[in-house]
Amino acid sequence: AQSVTQLGSHVSVSEGALVLLRCNYSSSVPPYLFWYVQYPNQGLQLLLKYTSAATLVKGINGFEAEFKKSETSFHLTKPSAHMSDAAEYFCAVSVSSGNTPLVFGKGTRLSVIA
Amino acid sequence: GAGVSQSPSNKVTEKGKDVELRCDPISGHTALYWYRQSLGQGLEFLIYFQGNSAPDKSGLPSDRFSAERTGGSVSTLTIQRTQQEDSAVYLCASSIAGGPGNEQFFGPGTRLTVL
Repeated sequence: AQSVTQLGSHVSVSEGALVLLRCNYSSSVPPYLFWYVQYPNQGLQLLLKYTSAATLVKGINGFEAEFKKSETSFHLTKPSAHMSDAAEYFCAVSVSSGNTPLVFGKGTRLSVIA
Repeated sequence: GAGVSQSPSNKVTEKGKDVELRCDPISGHTALYWYRQSLGQGLEFLIYFQGNSAPDKSGLPSDRFSAERTGGSVSTLTIQRTQQEDSAVYLCASSIAGGPGNEQFFGPGTRLTVL
């Protein structure tokens, strides 16, 4: 069975600083990997996804993530944090065969300090 | 077009009562998912519908939980004899097809509080 671990339930960065949110996955078959963002009182919005094409994936709002098979990681980064990036971020995995739902990590809350 | 909608947005009920939560997926999306989001627990898969196939109920936590999808569109999640541990945000998502690489579009959720 697949699983996702997000290191750090809360990350705080200064405005303009690098954002790094960590995600490690476990899957016995090639995975699809996703990052979703959730703003307060809203549903989840897809930031980016990895589907076995390029290992460096670019998403919306300046975010990107790199798939590293050797490290079973899919960390999310953004070079310069903006106040509007404050939200909850979820990493999720889905296996590449069959009809399976997403398996989510427990989320990382990002705070941006002015 | 409209996104995924859910109703009600908030529901407060008393322990032991039944509740129904509604999800309207994006038109044309054949796959529909229900998840539960509890504080500090992330999102937990509950049930999945794909077209006319039998639903995947493997995530339902107990037989008090059930769901149906009528006409391949609207879905209702029913929780019978609610318990305080059922308090959570219930999220619905739809995707154009049930394949693993397809983006799931999420509704705003229904916040359920069981007193």
